[in-house]
Amino acid sequence: DGGITQSPKYLFRKEGQNVTLSCEQNLNHDAMYWYRQDPGQGLRLIYYSQIVNDFQKGDIAEGYSVSREKKESFPLTVTSAQKNPTAFYLCASSTRTGEQYFGPGTRLTVT
Amino acid sequence: QQQVKQSPQSLIVQKGGISIINCAYENTAFDYFPWYQQFPGKGPALLIAIRPDVSEKKEGRFTISFNKSAKQFSLHIMDSQPGDSATYFCAARRAAGNKLTFGGGTRVLVKP
Repeated sequence: DGGITQSPKYLFRKEGQNVTLSCEQNLNHDAMYWYRQDPGQGLRLIYYSQIVNDFQKGDIAEGYSVSREKKESFPLTVTSAQKNPTAFYLCASSTRTGEQYFGPGTRLTVT
Repeated sequence: QQQVKQSPQSLIVQKGGISIINCAYENTAFDYFPWYQQFPGKGPALLIAIRPDVSEKKEGRFTISFNKSAKQFSLHIMDSQPGDSATYFCAARRAAGNKLTFGGGTRVLVKP
């Protein structure tokens, strides 16, 4: 069963704690992405990676960090420096011709 | 600067009617234009996509119309059903960087 998995589906953290969101894909895609979605809003790009061991900042990278040590995995860490971390986080992967597929998302709540 | 402008923000249509969502872009370097459907609490799903060498693409009840000279593209949902009630996003891709730029989304409600 091919696709993108994100875990956990819901995540709760206290303010000041770092938290890491998992994203795994078995589609053999080189490119992976992290987006943030706030209620009733569109998608904003946080980080993306076109190849293993390389990644670039998106439009709203401040307060976030990523790693890309394996082709299948692209974890996102929401650090305590992110001022408003409560949001719906979406991971995606893409073919070289642009077809981008999304995971089911992780809803992070920080109190 | 928003590079892909989507309208309307919301849309109500009767069952069996046609839903039309429009997007306009500025960057002529875009080479791929997908549409996504998102249900509440779920990730967006790729619905249909078009490349600029084609003016129209149809898949079932969903049709993309593309006007390269006007830098506009639109999604038509024919015979709209209550199950089509969702938020729809258009997007555009620049080949360099393989990134999508998304429109702001349109919330569609199909009334039975």
